[in-house]
Amino acid sequence: GNSVTQMEGPVTLSEEAFLTINCTYTATGYPSLFWYVQYPGEGLQLLLKATKADDKGSNKGFEATYRKETTSFHLEKGSVQVSDSAVYFCALINDYKLSFGAGTTVTVRA
Amino acid sequence: SAVISQKPSRDICQRGTSLTIQCQVDSQVTMMFWYRQQPGQSLTLIATANQGSEATYESGFVIDKFPISRPNLTFSTLTVSNMSPEDSSIYLCSVPSAATSGSTDTQYFGPGTRLTVL
Repeated sequence: GNSVTQMEGPVTLSEEAFLTINCTYTATGYPSLFWYVQYPGEGLQLLLKATKADDKGSNKGFEATYRKETTSFHLEKGSVQVSDSAVYFCALINDYKLSFGAGTTVTVRA
Repeated sequence: SAVISQKPSRDICQRGTSLTIQCQVDSQVTMMFWYRQQPGQSLTLIATANQGSEATYESGFVIDKFPISRPNLTFSTLTVSNMSPEDSSIYLCSVPSAATSGSTDTQYFGPGTRLTVL
């Protein structure tokens, strides 16, 4: 079956620090991979995606590379801001169905 | 991406009652999906709603508890029946990025309905 394992949180960082959230997956076939973000009090937004091996998704300074050999899709940002405080979900999609990781709460302090 | 709205945005209900949640999309989509996010938890797929056919439920979810309607290509409802405090969650609908989306294409989410059952 399909499953996503995501780094446990919470994660607390200072502004301008480097952020990485680990994500690994198990899937049949050729899924697409996503990072979704949920800001406080808001809905779920797509942050970035990758549709095939070695693709790099990027948005708002965040990046993640689809690594088929290690079945990973780690999220990184070089310099976080207070506004990046949110819950981040790694997810894969197969046969129209999304499977989500547990979510990682990130708090960035000024 | 599609614009998705949900009603109500939040509600507080008494145990034993039912609540119907609406999901409206600004474009026609073949498939719509309903997810549940329990407090502090991740999202779990409840069911897939196809227009013109019965909804398909995931393991652990049944039609008697979560009946779904899909009367047209832009609208769906999810009812949470005979509610208990364990049903307190955020309920979200999602749709593929386009009517011709493939099985691994992006999905977008509505803003969610925050349900509290007392």
